Amino acid sequence: SQQGEEDPQALSIQEGENATMNCSYKTSINNLQWYRQNSGRGLVHLILIRSNEREKHSGRLRVTLDTSKKSSSLLITASRAADTASYFCAQRSDDKIIFGKGTRLHILP
Amino acid sequence: NAGVTQTPKFQVLKTGQSMTLQCAQDMNHNSMYWYRQDPGMGLRLIYYSASEGTTDKGEVPNGYNVSRLNKREFSLRLESAAPSQTSVYFCASSGRQGHDTQYFGPGTRLTVL
Repeated sequence: SQQGEEDPQALSIQEGENATMNCSYKTSINNLQWYRQNSGRGLVHLILIRSNEREKHSGRLRVTLDTSKKSSSLLITASRAADTASYFCAQRSDDKIIFGKGTRLHILP
Repeated sequence: NAGVTQTPKFQVLKTGQSMTLQCAQDMNHNSMYWYRQDPGMGLRLIYYSASEGTTDKGEVPNGYNVSRLNKREFSLRLESAAPSQTSVYFCASSGRQGHDTQYFGPGTRLTVL
């Protein structure tokens, strides 16, 4: 399977702390995307980073990409209760987008 | 804009029954996708359509068929439902296949008894 892997599978942190989740993939990529899924809902796109980029920011989100290690990380700063969700990375591979299994993030009050 | 819409939201079938899941998008996107999501498995691509008139198999196509009816609509058919097809099904669309971000529908929760 070309499916990537997120790490950790689950993460619980206190509100206000930073949350970091990682994604590893197996094949070369054109871009890597991060999505959020709230319980019972569809996925929502957060950020896209191209293979020639190393870091990208969007609001409280910071994404890094290390193509030599075939890995990416998503940092959410100053977490809020509304950030409780599952987060998925998705790699573009052979003209398809392949999703990882996700990290379940729980923000504790 | 409604974005990506899916019908129905919930469905219960008996083994062997057939049904069609409907998906429509109003963003003038070329590419559309069907995924299934099972606990602990993330999303797995069933079929995709890079453009109107074309369809291709994804990672788990067995037991499914698709029709790209026009640019807006992409349907998924289960000819003879099996319990292993119990899952949540998501439709998505993107401007250019493999290049652009995907926009997802709300999902269809299917149970096959």
